[in-house]
Amino acid sequence: AQSVTQLDSQVPVFEEAPVELRCNYSSSVSVYLFWYVQYPNQGLQLLLKYLSGSTLVKGINGFEAEFNKSQTSFHLRKPSVHISDTAEYFCAVSDENYGQNFVFGPGTRLSVLP
Amino acid sequence: DVKVTQSSRYLVKRTGEKVFLECVQDMDHENMFWYRQDPGLGLRLIYFSYDVKMKEKGDIPEGYSVSREKKERFSLILESASTNQTSMYLCASSLGTGVLGTEAFFGQGTRLTVV
Repeated sequence: AQSVTQLDSQVPVFEEAPVELRCNYSSSVSVYLFWYVQYPNQGLQLLLKYLSGSTLVKGINGFEAEFNKSQTSFHLRKPSVHISDTAEYFCAVSDENYGQNFVFGPGTRLSVLP
Repeated sequence: DVKVTQSSRYLVKRTGEKVFLECVQDMDHENMFWYRQDPGLGLRLIYFSYDVKMKEKGDIPEGYSVSREKKERFSLILESASTNQTSMYLCASSLGTGVLGTEAFFGQGTRLTVV
């Protein structure tokens, strides 16, 4: 069965510092990977997705993620964060065996400090 | 842009009440989903539907039912609300059949409190 692990439940970081949010998944087949962001009292918004091809994926708001098949990871990075990046971030996976459903990680709360 | 609209942002209901949460999408998506979100647990799938009148149980269907009479509308029903169903409920849709790798689009969420 699929599962998604986000190792850090909370990540505090100072403004303009770099950040990495970690995501690991378990699946034995080809996967599709997603990062979503949720601002307070909002739904989830897609940041970026990996379907195939280049392992480095660029998304909105300056975020990027790298797919590493051997480590079954899809870590999210941003070289310089802003106060407005304070939000909860969810990693999600779907695969050809799981059909059209998604499995979400527990989320990482990013707090950007002035 | 895809729009997924949930009928209420906030709801307060009493224990034992029958509760309806409504969700409408405007992009002719085949798949629709209901999740509940609780701190530290992420999103857990309650039910999903891949076609009109079709439904499949997710990971936590107990105490819930769904209805999809029209393609654009997917309703979540709490037959007899209980306090442990206090949560944030998120509706989502995605393109559908044969289109793997497409993302889910989410509504704004309904924060339900059962007292």
